[in-house]
Amino acid sequence: GAGVSQTPSNKVTEKGKYVELRCDPISGHTALYWYRQSLGQGPEFLIYFQGTGAADDSGLPNDRFFAVRPEGSVSTLKIQRTERGDSAMYLCASKLTTGTGELFFGEGSRLTVL
Amino acid sequence: AQSVAQPEDQVNVAEGNPLTVKCTYSVSGNPYLFWYVQYPNRGLQFLLKYITGDNLVKGSYGFEAEFNKSQTSFHLKKPSALVSDSALYFCAVSRPFGNEKLTFGTGTRLTIIP
Repeated sequence: GAGVSQTPSNKVTEKGKYVELRCDPISGHTALYWYRQSLGQGPEFLIYFQGTGAADDSGLPNDRFFAVRPEGSVSTLKIQRTERGDSAMYLCASKLTTGTGELFFGEGSRLTVL
Repeated sequence: AQSVAQPEDQVNVAEGNPLTVKCTYSVSGNPYLFWYVQYPNRGLQFLLKYITGDNLVKGSYGFEAEFNKSQTSFHLKKPSALVSDSALYFCAVSRPFGNEKLTFGTGTRLTIIP
């Protein structure tokens, strides 16, 4: 498709389980970003990739969170030993390259940890 | 550190009237400023940005924003509101020179009353 695609759109899991969230950016976009949005809050930066490498992962809350982008296109956000506090909407965005261009966001993956 | 404040959680405007959604920011150095809009069940969409130059920035759907350095503000405006403008609006800031991390405000829900 033409836009940023995120799967699954909804994920319900139990505390302690492992979760993967996938992002397929717009074709040709080299920069990819993950944000987390809790209810009533604005999106919070987690990590961004330029190509295959994580250029800034300063927003990842702890070492249970990890993201990869092995071929410079699709990215996966991985959460180990999920906790109830991880429940949120996880947003992916991409843009043509780093710099002042606009971000194109996907519709998000809503994660609920029971 | 960088931050954004959107002092109004909710703004109601009658259709046809001018609208303003307020945003103030805090950042070291010259800011990059953005407005994004979120419609129900849709991803965040870019409206406009200020990088440098003219303080009045025009964007999508007839929206504009004015950068005011002395007041550290970047209010979103539209001369005549439409019912279809009803949505959640986010202001965001980043530092220049390669800092890709966007910091978002908590959002303002705009409701246009027919």
